This record gives sequence, C-alpha cells and structure tokens, in this order.
Amino acid sequence: AQKVTQAQTEISVVEKEDVTLDCVYETRDTTYYLFWYKQPPSGELVFLIRRNSFDEQNEISGRYSWNFQKSTSSFNFTITASQVVDSAVYFCALSGFAGKAAGNKLTFGGGTRVLVKP
Amino acid sequence: GAVVSQHPSRVICKSGTSVKIECRSLDFQATTMFWYRQFPKQSLMLMATSNEGSKATYEQGVEKDKFLINHASLTLSTLTVTSAHPEDSSFYICSARRGGVAFIDEQFFGPGTRLTVL
Repeated sequence: AQKVTQAQTEISVVEKEDVTLDCVYETRDTTYYLFWYKQPPSGELVFLIRRNSFDEQNEISGRYSWNFQKSTSSFNFTITASQVVDSAVYFCALSGFAGKAAGNKLTFGGGTRVLVKP
Repeated sequence: GAVVSQHPSRVICKSGTSVKIECRSLDFQATTMFWYRQFPKQSLMLMATSNEGSKATYEQGVEKDKFLINHASLTLSTLTVTSAHPEDSSFYICSARRGGVAFIDEQFFGPGTRLTVL
C-alpha cells in the first residue's frame, strides 16, 4: 500500500521568511511519481510539480524548490521569501507507474496549511 | 490546454434528494476520470476510478449504490449522490487522465463542487 505523510499540519510565517514543507512517502513500487499541489481558499487544486522516481535532481522554479531524497523517501518543498499569496494548503501526493492498471491512482498526504502574515 | 470543468460549482439540496455532478474534459479525451471527496480541513480521498465505457471501480468503504458514477464518453463523467444526507456534505473533486499518453502519469483536476445537504 502507498502512504504519504506530511507531518506539519500548519505552518505560520511572516512574509519574506522561507518555509519548508516536509513530505515522506512509502511505496513498494520501484517506479512511481511524486507531486505537489497547492490548494488556495477557492478550493481548486493547482499543480506545482511532478517528479518521477528515476530523477533525483533537485528542482527550482522561481521561489519554489524541491528536494527529492530517495534514500530517505522524502520529497520536501521550500518556498523562499514567502508572500501572502502563498497562503494555502499544500498537498504532497504519490502515484504508481501509469502502465499498471491501478498505477495512476493518487495517494495524497494530509496537507500542510501555510499561513503567511504580512 | 488540459482543462477540466465541473458543474455545478456549488449545490444545496434537501436531505433525501439526489444530486448529479458533471465532470468534463474540455480540450482532451480522458480515458480515465477519478472522483475525490474532501471534508473540511482534511485531505482528498479517492472515491472511485471511472473508465470510459466500463463500470467504475470503487475504493474500499465507498458505497457504489449511493455514489453512482457514469463515464459515458471520453469527455464526460458524472457522479450522482443518491438520497443525499447531511453527512454527504463535502467538496467533491474530479480529475481526468489524458488518454494516449502511456508513460506520463498526469491528472488534471476540476475546480470542485461543494455539496451542502440540509
């Protein structure tokens, strides 16, 4: 069975501070995908990143960066110089390889609510 | 591209009535659609996987007779909550997997439907 754990339920920071969201996953698959989504108060999920299990390179996109550590089964997300607009719930998710019948089912973590105060 | 719509965005109904929620992929064909439910301040939980032209596969604990899913075409899946009760009040989100892309596991999410049963 697959499992995603986001240990931090809520993080509060002051604008311009950096914030790191932890994500730890469990899977028996050798090929899998990891995702991060943002859910603002409107409710619509916003896709942030997809990473496959063979690509352990860290990625940076603007103020966002991701650290994939296969050895520790972690896929952490950092927002640099946070802004009020970053306030949202962030979900880490995991799916298996698309070739398997049920491989593309997404398993979500519990989410981390980020509150950025001005 | 890859836009998924849901209708209605918000619905309020009386206990005992049935409610239909539509999920449409607007600019691509979706061989598979997924239905999720999200209770307030909780994560997304997969309810069922819907494949075009076949019966939906329900997750453990989800009543298939209560949550009827129909995937009649490659661009439309519907979720009908039959005899709704207040405990069915939730945020329902669909996602669609683009067909023909065998090795990229990507789901596109709809904006969600907030159901309130009085």
